[in-house]
Amino acid sequence: AQKVTQAQTEISVVEKEDVTLDCVYETRDTTYYLFWYKQPPSGELVFLIRRNSFDEQNEISGRYSWNFQKSTSSFNFTITASQVVDSAVYFCALSEAGATNKLIFGTGTLLAVQP
Amino acid sequence: DGGITQSPKYLFRKEGQNVTLSCEQNLNHDAMYWYRQDPGQGLRLIYYSQIVNDFQKGDIAEGYSVSREKKESFPLTVTSAQKNPTAFYLCASSALRGGTGNTIYFGEGSWLTVV
Repeated sequence: AQKVTQAQTEISVVEKEDVTLDCVYETRDTTYYLFWYKQPPSGELVFLIRRNSFDEQNEISGRYSWNFQKSTSSFNFTITASQVVDSAVYFCALSEAGATNKLIFGTGTLLAVQP
Repeated sequence: DGGITQSPKYLFRKEGQNVTLSCEQNLNHDAMYWYRQDPGQGLRLIYYSQIVNDFQKGDIAEGYSVSREKKESFPLTVTSAQKNPTAFYLCASSALRGGTGNTIYFGEGSWLTVV
């Protein structure tokens, strides 16, 4: 069975601190896709990144970076020099193999960045 | 502007009533989805549709119904059979290039409260 675990329910940091959000996944498929979404207080889910199982290169986008390690089934997300605007719930998700394109979500991590 | 529009943002329902949540997208996406989010939990799939006039049950379809008469529209009806409908509902859409792994984009969501 496929599953996504985000063990950190809430994280609180002070502005300018670095913070890492953990994501561990389970799947029997050799081809799969991993995603991160941000949900600000307004409610909509904002797409951040998509990574396929064949590409283990880490990615950096501004203050955001992602570390994908198949050996530990992890896809962790780091925010460098956090800002108050980063406060949100962050979801990690796994796309099932096959033609359905369905997403399986973790329970999310609430990040609170204090000024 | 391109995107996914959900309405209404807030909806109150009396017990025993059916209500319909609207979802429209102008991204020319083939697939559309409805997810439910409960406090402190991840998103769970209610229904999805990959083509007009066809849709499939997700993980928690009981008490819900959908239709897909037009490519851009995928309304969700919460029926009186849904025992605990109070939740945040998110509509989403994606392309279907290559079947799986396409990025799913979300609307701003609708809050449904039973009074």
